[in-house]
This record gives sequence, C-alpha cells and structure tokens, in this order.
Amino acid sequence: SQQGEEDPQALSIQEGENATMNCSYKTSINNLQWYRQNSGRGLVHLILIRSNEREKHSGRLRVTLDTSKKSSSLLITASRAADTASYFCATTSGGYQKVTFGTGTKLQVIP
Amino acid sequence: DTAVSQTPKYLVTQMGNDKSIKCEQNLGHDTMYWYKQDSKKFLKIMFSYNNKELIINETVPNRFSPKSPDKAHLNLHINSLELGDSAVYFCASSQRPFAGGDLYEQFFGPGTRLTVL
Repeated sequence: SQQGEEDPQALSIQEGENATMNCSYKTSINNLQWYRQNSGRGLVHLILIRSNEREKHSGRLRVTLDTSKKSSSLLITASRAADTASYFCATTSGGYQKVTFGTGTKLQVIP
Repeated sequence: DTAVSQTPKYLVTQMGNDKSIKCEQNLGHDTMYWYKQDSKKFLKIMFSYNNKELIINETVPNRFSPKSPDKAHLNLHINSLELGDSAVYFCASSQRPFAGGDLYEQFFGPGTRLTVL
C-alpha cells in the first residue's frame, strides 16, 4: 500500500524563493529519504534522515522529521531554476526494508 | 561512466508479446531493484535481489519474472504484455540491502519507457 503522500502535488515559485514540501506517512518507519527526479530521468538521492533524528541539513536542503505526526518536510532555500523537478519522499520499514515512495511534489522554479 | 544502465530506453510493443528489459550496474553493489512508475508518477517496488537471491517480491503478476545471472545484472522479463503494463520501469542498486537500522543510498538507472499498444 502507498506509504507516503506529498503535499502540495505541485508548487510553482520564483527563483530565489524558498520551497517547502511535506510528506506524510502511515506506519512506523526506520528511515526517511528524499529523492529528486528530473523530467524523463531516474531518481537521485538527496538526503536521508533516521527515525531518531529531527532535523538534517545538506547545502541548501533542510529536512525535518516528526515521528509523532508521521510527517517530514523538505525545505529548499534560495531556489534556482535547476531545482525544477519532482521530489519524492521514501520510507523504509520491515525486515529486508523495502523502500516505499510517496506520490511526489512537482516543483517549478521560474527564472 | 554510467553507474546503473538500462536497455532499451524505449520499448513499444503489441499486447500479448513477451519482452525483456536489461539492467547492469558497475558500482560493485550487492543489491538490485526493479521499480514501476505509472502515469501518475507513483513509484512502486516490484522486486529486489541481493547477491542473485530474491529478497523482495511484491504483489506482481507472475507474468513478470526477474532474473539475476550475477550480482551486477538484473533483467526483467514480461510475458503476455497487457495495456496496463505501460509504464516507466526503473532499475536501481544499493551497496547492501536495507536491514535493521542500516540504510544504503539507492542509485537509479535512467528508466525504460514501455508502451503496450
């Protein structure tokens, strides 16, 4: 069953603005990752946050995780046109942990 | 150098045909995956192999048969193709399978867009 749902489904902002995407999931997880997918390409791993972490930074990316609310957010600061892509959250759970992807947020950054 | 490669990139075929998609990774990873991304961009895992051994097998019709001749290759064979099989299929690999608290980044191939007419 589908694990993560992203909100919003689509987001359009001006270059230089910040973009915030949210992900909600349904069951307990071990880890949560964010991936980017450029149009017609495969997914690229951005950042990982473990279930015992609350916030993580990587360059212009900031990820938060609230396990009590079963939600995560991805903030991209000072957005650039090259950030235009779809962003997916992915959760892992279980023994051999399969990765379950969310529905994705399509971000458009207008130059 | 391409890390995870898939062939073909595009595949257009008639309903009822049998087709294969090949995947190769040159990262020395132990674990490989097949995902299906539908028209709504929803990405769902189909199979995972670790050192040629099947470890994840989601609810996928048995018309889909993965084959891993060695740990660098994971091919996907589809029998009796149906219209609903039209999607983009992604291969991925990771250093190890995810287990316990360990998590390994997945590296994705460019995808194979399958269109069944």
